[in-house]
Amino acid sequence: KAGVTQTPRYLIKTRGQQVTLSCSPISGHRSVSWYQQTPGQGLQFLFEYFSETQRNKGNFPGRFSGRQFSNSRSEMNVSTLELGDSALYLCASSHTGPNYEQYFGPGTRLTVT
Amino acid sequence: DQQVKQNSPSLSVQEGRISILNCDYTNSMFDYFLWYKKYPAEGPTFLISISSIKDKNEDGRFTVFLNKSAKHLSLHIVPSQPGDSAVYFCAASARAAGNKLTFGGGTRVLVKP
Repeated sequence: KAGVTQTPRYLIKTRGQQVTLSCSPISGHRSVSWYQQTPGQGLQFLFEYFSETQRNKGNFPGRFSGRQFSNSRSEMNVSTLELGDSALYLCASSHTGPNYEQYFGPGTRLTVT
Repeated sequence: DQQVKQNSPSLSVQEGRISILNCDYTNSMFDYFLWYKKYPAEGPTFLISISSIKDKNEDGRFTVFLNKSAKHLSLHIVPSQPGDSAVYFCAASARAAGNKLTFGGGTRVLVKP
């Protein structure tokens, strides 16, 4: 089975711009979660989507949003980028329900200048 | 409020010896625990997990121990190999929170040949 794929792998944006990141889960996985990794805050949960609905949300401002399509692919969007949004954004997919391991993609490295 | 803590930021071990990584948690609602390994510029790779109904789970060279009363888990790697050099994260989830993972800060492991 192919793993979780994320595009693009690297991105450079300017403050104030917006960005959209894409994630394709492992075939058969219907839950997609997004995480942000920064040196200062570590790995933090952004949100989880299941059946095109946001099922869980972390403590991030409303500038961070996402969606999931009927084929389980997901996108996350960050509007009005700030310097502090520079991070590795990771997508993970898993089977339905709790207590299933999540499998991560390689991440998108976002740099905001 | 760090709900999952890895108090050792780094660990150095000789090839062939045992690596022991520790993780403490505070949230008694956590009922599923996972360990991930991460190389720079890559997504975390799932290693092993344990449900709160068990106190031990083994998979090859990896064994995870869970002490619920102490809210403590540990990962044993035996024997350690140079390829095990990476950052290791423990993570926890609660059934009520779906697939939201709360991560520790990570422990950098260096296995010396």
